[in-house]
Amino acid sequence: GAVVSQHPSRVICKSGTSVKIECRSLDFQATTMFWYRQFPKQSLMLMATSNEGSKATYEQGVEKDKFLINHASLTLSTLTVTSAHPEDSSFYICSATTGVHYNEQFFGPGTRLTVL
Amino acid sequence: AQSVTQLDSQVPVFEEAPVELRCNYSSSVSVYLFWYVQYPNQGLQLLLKYLSGSTLVKGINGFEAEFNKSQTSFHLRKPSVHISDTAEYFCAVTQYSSASKIIFGSGTRLSIRP
Repeated sequence: GAVVSQHPSRVICKSGTSVKIECRSLDFQATTMFWYRQFPKQSLMLMATSNEGSKATYEQGVEKDKFLINHASLTLSTLTVTSAHPEDSSFYICSATTGVHYNEQFFGPGTRLTVL
Repeated sequence: AQSVTQLDSQVPVFEEAPVELRCNYSSSVSVYLFWYVQYPNQGLQLLLKYLSGSTLVKGINGFEAEFNKSQTSFHLRKPSVHISDTAEYFCAVTQYSSASKIIFGSGTRLSIRP
């Protein structure tokens, strides 16, 4: 149980286009989902926290207009990178938690974004 | 606020040798502690977690960690490593409350030499 999927696993796009990444909890309802960004050989940096049906909470320094997050249901959150540029190229990972018991986060397999 | 320090960015060891990956944390409140492993181009997999109770925690793949409150440490150990243990290891902390965010350490790259 507690499986989180991400789609796509890898995406290459042209500079200036928008890219949508989906994060799904397959066998549980996720009250909260998190979006992380990871540069090569670095740790995960939290970008934002999203709760179903409400606006996402962004970490300091993360542009909310550039990284649009929607958490429309208890099993789906999406991250849209708008007007992507080469510096947005990174590994994006989502996680989900039920908010019950202790707050273990279940991580997705990640999405590799390359902006040309 | 919490923070996590992984002092070793890289740890090279020979196959079948023991290994210890160090992790220290800082927090003014009680926390949960985790170790995650990340293989190349993959997401994170939970190795083990400390919530409460016994300070020695056993995880998957033969790893274990010991919670030391007085030294605010949560070092990860394995008595005999295998080539397949080559990966990035992250120590993480989160506080007692629902859906608190996880703070990750900078990671330690474990490389196993034959």
